Amino acid sequence: RKEVEQDPGPFNVPEGATVAFNCTYSNSASQSFFWYRQDCRKEPKLLMSVYSSGNEDGRFTAQLNRASQYISLLIRDSKLSDSATYLCVVILPGAGSYQLTFGKGTKLSVIP
Amino acid sequence: NAGVTQTPKFQVLKTGQSMTLQCAQDMNHEYMSWYRQDPGMGLRLIHYSVGAGITDQGEVPNGYNVSRSTTEDFPLRLLSAAPSQTSVYFCASSYWDRGSYEQYFGPGTRLTVT
Repeated sequence: RKEVEQDPGPFNVPEGATVAFNCTYSNSASQSFFWYRQDCRKEPKLLMSVYSSGNEDGRFTAQLNRASQYISLLIRDSKLSDSATYLCVVILPGAGSYQLTFGKGTKLSVIP
Repeated sequence: NAGVTQTPKFQVLKTGQSMTLQCAQDMNHEYMSWYRQDPGMGLRLIHYSVGAGITDQGEVPNGYNVSRSTTEDFPLRLLSAAPSQTSVYFCASSYWDRGSYEQYFGPGTRLTVT
């Protein structure tokens, strides 16, 4: 089983729709969790950290479910500019505070 | 503030050639890392450094060397290029501050080995 797994998509949604991505991780002792965004042929950019209590940043909500070992990202009121690949990132136990393991990403296309 | 810079943006090498990918950051971050990104593989960690003079191997270190003589610079050396090293290379710098995490990637170097 891969350490971090994501549905590759693509997810094609109309503008204004709500879309959710899930990501599962294999090691129950994983410590920290993040969502990154990567535009085509660009570098990844940190979108948000994922906290145990869940957290929200505008139209974006991230949740962590430790019991089921998954994290989720919810995007409300999708905009054309949300079209990108969303990467799930986990810091594994024993990896040190900085060694990130990336999922392969989920591609989102928001359609007019 | 330039953030993380990488040079060159594009490079074509012949098998067996060597070269150095440059990475610099101006944020005084202690931690820097190199990743490669291949289609269908996601980002994989090559080498990382937790401070000047300290480096360690990541998931896919073979064929690459790094050094960290200053906080700002973290070059990646390809010793003898192989077609399997055709990839996009990203350098990143990071820090944790009172539980808050930040990481910044450079714009990437697209390398083709023929």
